[in-house]
Amino acid sequence: DTAVSQTPKYLVTQMGNDKSIKCEQNLGHDTMYWYKQDSKKFLKIMFSYNNKELIINETVPNRFSPKSPDKAHLNLHINSLELGDSAVYFCASSQNIAYEQYFGPGTRLTVT
Amino acid sequence: AQTVTQSQPEMSVQEAETVTLSCTYDTSESDYYLFWYKQPPSRQMILVIRQEAYKQQNATENRFSVNFQKAAKSFSLKISDSQLGDAAMYFCAYLQGGSEKLVFGKGTKLTVNP
Repeated sequence: DTAVSQTPKYLVTQMGNDKSIKCEQNLGHDTMYWYKQDSKKFLKIMFSYNNKELIINETVPNRFSPKSPDKAHLNLHINSLELGDSAVYFCASSQNIAYEQYFGPGTRLTVT
Repeated sequence: AQTVTQSQPEMSVQEAETVTLSCTYDTSESDYYLFWYKQPPSRQMILVIRQEAYKQQNATENRFSVNFQKAAKSFSLKISDSQLGDAAMYFCAYLQGGSEKLVFGKGTKLTVNP
């Protein structure tokens, strides 16, 4: 069984479109995250949710909106996609704060 | 803000030999955690090893071990008996105690030569 899963794994779309990426974890963890990995492989946190409550919101454009319907799910919705949004987006989860984070397989988003 | 520096963008090692990847970090905190993650070409981020700052003993996981020098703020990863499957990007990461914000270094690309 996959611990942290994301769908889709690949997403190709045009500028201006709205898209969503879904994440689910079956580890029973309380905290979930979204990271962005750019073309140079640099990973940076975007959001963190603990028990469905937003904990971290880094400097991310308002076009990005996370939603956590329950503790096991954290979705990422992106409005008005731009070329610069092309990246790999990783979902992760951890048992609680200050614990190691387990990552999903990533979603490669390509905006044309 | 805490920063993590990996000074070696690329490293290579012969199969069965040992390689050490460097990582330094900057923090004024005393309670924190350090990690090494591996990202093979499959893109999956895999946790390799974890070290708590309050522990003096260096963490070890099979062929992977760390050299944690707290005073020097250094956290290097040693891979013994390198295998072809060890080829990947390796990321050093810092997590402050009580925080959810994992800060990553820029990564080291490791090539294993047969």
